[in-house]
Amino acid sequence: DIQMTQSPSTLSTSVGDRVTITCRASQSISSWLAWYQQKPGKAPKLLIYKASSLESGVPSRFSGSGSGTEFTLTISSLQPDDFATYYCQHYNSYSFTFGPGTKVDIK
Amino acid sequence: QVHLVQSGAEVKKPGASVKVSCKTSGYTFTTYYMHWVRQAPGQGLEWMGIINPSHGSTSYAQKFQGRVTMTRDTSTSTVYMELSSLRSEDTAVYYCARGGYCISTNCHHAAFDVWGQGTMVTVSS
Repeated sequence: DIQMTQSPSTLSTSVGDRVTITCRASQSISSWLAWYQQKPGKAPKLLIYKASSLESGVPSRFSGSGSGTEFTLTISSLQPDDFATYYCQHYNSYSFTFGPGTKVDIK
Repeated sequence: QVHLVQSGAEVKKPGASVKVSCKTSGYTFTTYYMHWVRQAPGQGLEWMGIINPSHGSTSYAQKFQGRVTMTRDTSTSTVYMELSSLRSEDTAVYYCARGGYCISTNCHHAAFDVWGQGTMVTVSS
């Protein structure tokens, strides 16, 4: 089974900061990677699919990059609404593994 | 507008079963795969399995094999997830999520673009 890891597990940051979250796969997954945002008590929300494609309606300050085994989610200028937990996910065939999550909180 | 509306919270005793429903609207039910994902309190997301609503075929995560059953009712555009032999560790929020599609015999997996609101299942004696 493909394992997903994320770093850091927690990120304390401020409004306006540039934020980068890394996701690594235990073996190459091409570009079959998604990023989700989850706020407490809410369902996850899709931000990025196929490693770098922005989901419709998601602000352009979110971007994704990478392929193979290493991926990043970047928030160019953190906004108050962006404090949340972010998950990466591998999806392909019948493997849909999530990373453990990165909590972005206020410094 | 695409909507996934799940059934309400459940409280079950250890050893019992629970069946959660996910009623869909706003799209062609048989075109898109449906997944189930759970989240224990304070924990991350865990994929449980997938159902193809067109012909009801399923694939389950190894961890849940033998305990989970996913079904669908095409007449009401609803998918169901039943988990048996419940234990305290199954206490979690259970989500349905749409991901992937089939056009004729061409099927493609995809990220989960629409989610239900979640159903809290509590297992307690």
